[in-house]
Amino acid sequence: RKEVEQDPGPFNVPEGATVAFNCTYSNSASQSFFWYRQDCRKEPKLLMSVYSSGNEDGRFTAQLNRASQYISLLIRDSKLSDSATYLCVVNKGGADGLTFGKGTHLIIQP
Amino acid sequence: NAGVTQTPKFRILKIGQSMTLQCTQDMNHNYMYWYRQDPGMGLKLIYYSVGAGITDKGEVPNGYNVSRSTTEDFPLRLELAAPSQTSVYFCASSYSAHNTEAFFGQGTRLTVV
Repeated sequence: RKEVEQDPGPFNVPEGATVAFNCTYSNSASQSFFWYRQDCRKEPKLLMSVYSSGNEDGRFTAQLNRASQYISLLIRDSKLSDSATYLCVVNKGGADGLTFGKGTHLIIQP
Repeated sequence: NAGVTQTPKFRILKIGQSMTLQCTQDMNHNYMYWYRQDPGMGLKLIYYSVGAGITDKGEVPNGYNVSRSTTEDFPLRLELAAPSQTSVYFCASSYSAHNTEAFFGQGTRLTVV
């Protein structure tokens, strides 16, 4: 089983719709969780951290289920500018930092 | 604010040539990382450093070397370039290894022909 698994997509979604991505991780000792956004030919940037209690930032909601080793990201009222690749990222707790999923490609269509 | 700065942005190397990818950060972060990203793939860790004078191998270190003589700089060296090293390279830094944001440079697109 890969360390961090995501559906690569692409997800083609009309503007204004709600879209959800999922991610699973294999290491039950993982300590912290993030969603990063990567635009085409650009560097990854932090979108939001993911907390056990779930957290929301505007139109974005992230949830963590430690028992199922599952992370989700929900985007409401999607905008054209949300088109990007969304990377699920896990920190196992070691000094070697973050483990990245391959990313889910989202295309918002007008 | 500069953040993490990588140079060069693009480079074409011939097989067997060597080069150094430069990375510097101005956030006084102890932790620095080098990743490579191949098309359609996730980022893979090449080397990392937890502070000046300390480096360690990541998942894919073969063919690369690093040094960390200062907190700010973390150069990545390719000694004998091979086509398999064609990739996009990202340098990143973070304040700690746990539960903190990693900041990335803009990347170096390297092609080995």
